[in-house]
Amino acid sequence: ELKVEQNPLFLSMQEGKNYTIYCNYSTTSDRLYWYRQDPGKSLESLFVLLSNGAVKQEGRLMASLDTKARLSTLHITAAVHDLSATYFCAVERTGNQFYFGTGTSLTVIP
Amino acid sequence: DVKVTQSSRYLVKRTGEKVFLECVQDMDHENMFWYRQDPGLGLRLIYFSYDVKMKEKGDIPEGYSVSREKKERFSLILESASTNQTSMYLCASSSLAGGLDTQYFGPGTRLTVL
Repeated sequence: ELKVEQNPLFLSMQEGKNYTIYCNYSTTSDRLYWYRQDPGKSLESLFVLLSNGAVKQEGRLMASLDTKARLSTLHITAAVHDLSATYFCAVERTGNQFYFGTGTSLTVIP
Repeated sequence: DVKVTQSSRYLVKRTGEKVFLECVQDMDHENMFWYRQDPGLGLRLIYFSYDVKMKEKGDIPEGYSVSREKKERFSLILESASTNQTSMYLCASSSLAGGLDTQYFGPGTRLTVL
């Protein structure tokens, strides 16, 4: 059974600081997705990582994928309050089925 | 832009009732999915469908069934609702075109079973 683990589960960080969210998964997959969920809202796609070594950046967020280590990271640079949300990684298995991590709840405090 | 809509944002039902959750997407996507989201458990796949009248069980199908009579519409049915089905239900759709299988999510239905 494919397992997807995120850590930390909860993250409280000060504005302006950097931090990394980790997503480990237990079986081979070449596709990994990052989503953001604001409180009371649905999931919004952030990044799609399609191969080993893939790196995507959007604003203060950068995602990377190491398929050999079965690890993806979401790096936050100089956090701002607007980044407060829950972040999910998802690993694609056969047939476009996704396994989601448990989510990382990020709170950025002034 | 892809739009996935769900029939209700909030729903309160009683134990034993039959519950229908509707999902509609407007981008002609082949694939549609139903998840439930619970704190500390992330999203778990209930059922999915690759085409009209096709359905496949996900990881937690017990107590649920689905219907896909039209390509744009995917319904989740709770035959006899129970309190442990109180949860947030999310519908998603995706396309195989272009090689990217990003799933697009609806706003969710928060179901409470009393």
